[in-house]
Amino acid sequence: DGGITQSPKYLFRKEGQNVTLSCEQNLNHDAMYWYRQDPGQGLRLIYYSQIVNDFQKGDIAEGYSVSREKKESFPLTVTSAQKNPTAFYLCASSLDSGQSYGYTFGSGTRLTVV
Amino acid sequence: AQKITQTQPGMFVQEKEAVTLDCTYDTSDQSYGLFWYKQPSSGEMIFLIYQGSYDEQNATEGRYSLNFQKARKSANLVISASQLGDSAMYFCAMRELETSYDKVIFGPGTSLSVIP
Repeated sequence: DGGITQSPKYLFRKEGQNVTLSCEQNLNHDAMYWYRQDPGQGLRLIYYSQIVNDFQKGDIAEGYSVSREKKESFPLTVTSAQKNPTAFYLCASSLDSGQSYGYTFGSGTRLTVV
Repeated sequence: AQKITQTQPGMFVQEKEAVTLDCTYDTSDQSYGLFWYKQPSSGEMIFLIYQGSYDEQNATEGRYSLNFQKARKSANLVISASQLGDSAMYFCAMRELETSYDKVIFGPGTSLSVIP
């Protein structure tokens, strides 16, 4: 079955460490997105990519970095510059960023700073 | 300015009753899409229903319907015959197809609890 796989499901980070969240899709979708969700809050856009080797900052990109070397993969790195990284991270993809399609989401990664 | 407003942080509904979750939006685009997503406690986001700004009919998907009032910029979700499994967070979202077509904006969400 096609879908989006996020790993790991739970991740613990020590202060000052960089960590990378994985997002893989086999839907042949062009666009991919990373959102952050804090408890009781909506989703805020971190980064998005419409094509391979291109990505754009979202509303809260500071302290995060991404790459898009393959169509199927869009990993997110939470750097030590991100002062409050504890949150739920959701990856999503869309068939065509220019069309009125919604997203397919992964199951999320819950990141906790220890 | 907030583009998606969901004024009900929490809602309760009796099992088998209908419930309406409110959503208003703000855009200057003429072409846009509106979505509703469900997020159970497991965290996954589940797509429920879509309404295009030029669609004349209100969208329906099984027990879900979208009450689209374009002039009022309102896109309320109606869930008929509520079930215990409907207890979740519900997010209204919008994709502006002219100014920011490449991303979807989400509202703050409404927590729905279905009471047996």
